[in-house]
Parts: sequence; structure tokens; C-alpha cells
Amino acid sequence: SQQGEEDPQALSIQEGENATMNCSYKTSINNLQWYRQNSGRGLVHLILIRSNEREKHSGRLRVTLDTSKKSSSLLITASRAADTASYFCATAFYTGANSKLTFGKGITLSVRP
Amino acid sequence: SQTIHQWPATLVQPVGSPLSLECTVEGTSNPNLYWYRQAAGRGLQLLFYSVGIGQISSEVPQNLSASRPQDRQFILSSKKLLLSDSGFYLCACGPRQGSAKDNSPLHFGNGTRLTVT
Repeated sequence: SQQGEEDPQALSIQEGENATMNCSYKTSINNLQWYRQNSGRGLVHLILIRSNEREKHSGRLRVTLDTSKKSSSLLITASRAADTASYFCATAFYTGANSKLTFGKGITLSVRP
Repeated sequence: SQTIHQWPATLVQPVGSPLSLECTVEGTSNPNLYWYRQAAGRGLQLLFYSVGIGQISSEVPQNLSASRPQDRQFILSSKKLLLSDSGFYLCACGPRQGSAKDNSPLHFGNGTRLTVT
């Protein structure tokens, strides 16, 4: 079953606005990661937040993590048309020498020029 | 930096035919390698992962198999394709992880779009 569940499933905004995407998960994690996927392409890693961190920034990206609520949010500020893509959260859990990333179903973001 | 090559980019195969998708990695050694499948409108489902040559772990029972004949080569195969095998197949790599303190992202290839007809 999917570990991460993103919300909303689809988001349409005007260029220049901020986009907020949410992710909830069910079990303990070591870190949570956000990825971006352009249509028909592979995933590109955006940002990683460890379980002992609460907030992280990278350029126009801001991610928060609330382990008590088992949720995370990704904020893209001052959105651009080029930000149009699907965004996935993925939770990482390590067991011994193995690690597994479990992905949500993704959020489709459309930024109108 | 790591580069992941996947081929072919698109593939149309009839039901019952064999399948071989190849993934090779550059710019790293001893990586963990992964095969994911993405069905239309859905997230990524982990199919197989490998922590070393000849070491394959299967996540879900299915019509597919994987092999790792070399450190930086990962192959996804099927003897007889089913319609349900259609999807977008992604190869990914990450550093060899032996500690729960390791926090590293995965690097993905550009995927293979497989249509079984």
C-alpha cells in the first residue's frame, strides 16, 4: 500500500502565486523526500528532510515536516510556468542495510502563464 | 555525478512476447539499484531492488524478473508479457546504504514506456 498520500491530487494556479502541496504518511520514517516529474520523464530529487528536522529551504522551495501529525508540506514560492509538473513525496525507512523509498500517487501542478 | 541510462525509451510488444529492459549507471560504484513501475495516474511501485551483483530482492509477486550481472547494470525481464505489464518503468540508483543514519536521494533514469498489445 502507498505510504505517502499527497493532497490535493491536482492544483492549478497563476504564475507568481505560491503553491502548497501536502503529504501524509502512516508509519515511522527516517526521512521524507520530494521529487518532481515532468511529463514522460524520470523523477528528479528536489529536497530531503530528515525526521529530526522541522523545516528546510532550497531556493524557492520550503518543506516542513511534522512527525507528530505524520505530515509534510512543500511550498513553491513565486511559481513559474516551468514549475508545471507532477510532484511526489516519498518516505524512507531503513531496515538493517536496506533502505526503501515509498512514493505517493503524486500531485499534478499546473502553473498558468 | 551519477548518470542513469535506460533503453529503449518506448516499446510496444505483443502479449506473450519476451521483454528485456536494460539500465546502466555511470559515475558511481557499488550502488543500490531499483526498478519501479508507474501506472497511468498512479505513484511508483517498487518492483525489485539490488544491493550487489547477483543480489535481487522482489517486492511484489509478478510476471517479471530482474538480474544484476555487473555492478552497474540492472536488467528487467519477462518470458511472456501480459497486458497488465504495460506501464512506465523507471530505473533508479542510490548509494550503498549500511546505516540507518544515511540519508540520500535516489537518481532516476528517464524511463521506458512499455505498451503491451
